[in-house]
Amino acid sequence: ILNVEQSPQSLHVQEGDSTNFTCSFPSSNFYALHWYRWETAKSPEALFVMTLNGDEKKKGRISATLNTKEGYSYLYIKGSQPEDSATYLCAPGEGSGGGADGLTFGKGTHLIIQP
Amino acid sequence: DGGITQSPKYLFRKEGQNVTLSCEQNLNHDAMYWYRQDPGQGLRLIYYSQIVNDFQKGDIAEGYSVSREKKESFPLTVTSAQKNPTAFYLCASSIRLALGDTQYFGPGTRLTVL
Repeated sequence: ILNVEQSPQSLHVQEGDSTNFTCSFPSSNFYALHWYRWETAKSPEALFVMTLNGDEKKKGRISATLNTKEGYSYLYIKGSQPEDSATYLCAPGEGSGGGADGLTFGKGTHLIIQP
Repeated sequence: DGGITQSPKYLFRKEGQNVTLSCEQNLNHDAMYWYRQDPGQGLRLIYYSQIVNDFQKGDIAEGYSVSREKKESFPLTVTSAQKNPTAFYLCASSIRLALGDTQYFGPGTRLTVL
């Protein structure tokens, strides 16, 4: 089981502002990193899967970067909207690729967008 | 609509009783998973299955059992041996059992043991 740290634990952002948060993980034996968005009363929804150092992924106003050498990933939200309010989970995985028992979920960053 | 269904949404049981949580998927995925969430903690893997009639223990399998008789179904039984069963349970599936494959989650079941 990896030691996964997500910071901050919670975040209040004004509507229209941009924000970012961090996922830190051990860099040795890294294979992939997942980001999920989990809105209240809904199922966690996949945002990105990244595997390569330097990977950048974008989905609308949300983007993510990955640094496998130093063991961190950033998630950015540009121009926050109320519908962005959710808990954002990261889940790095280590190993050879097979065997999803190597995926470890962080505790999440709880984002609240204030109108 | 393709997806994962879990039932029931809320479940109450008396201490000492076994209870089975349902998980069904129509995504034609080979791999399925059960996670548990407790307040202030990340999702923890209970059991996972790569294929029909095969399943493996995750990080916190003690007190739980599963079966995978059909590709679409992966029920989880919480037994009386589970010391602290009250929690939120999530089922997920992916195309294959691979770290790079996206997992798709159901809506969850909240189990309360009285």
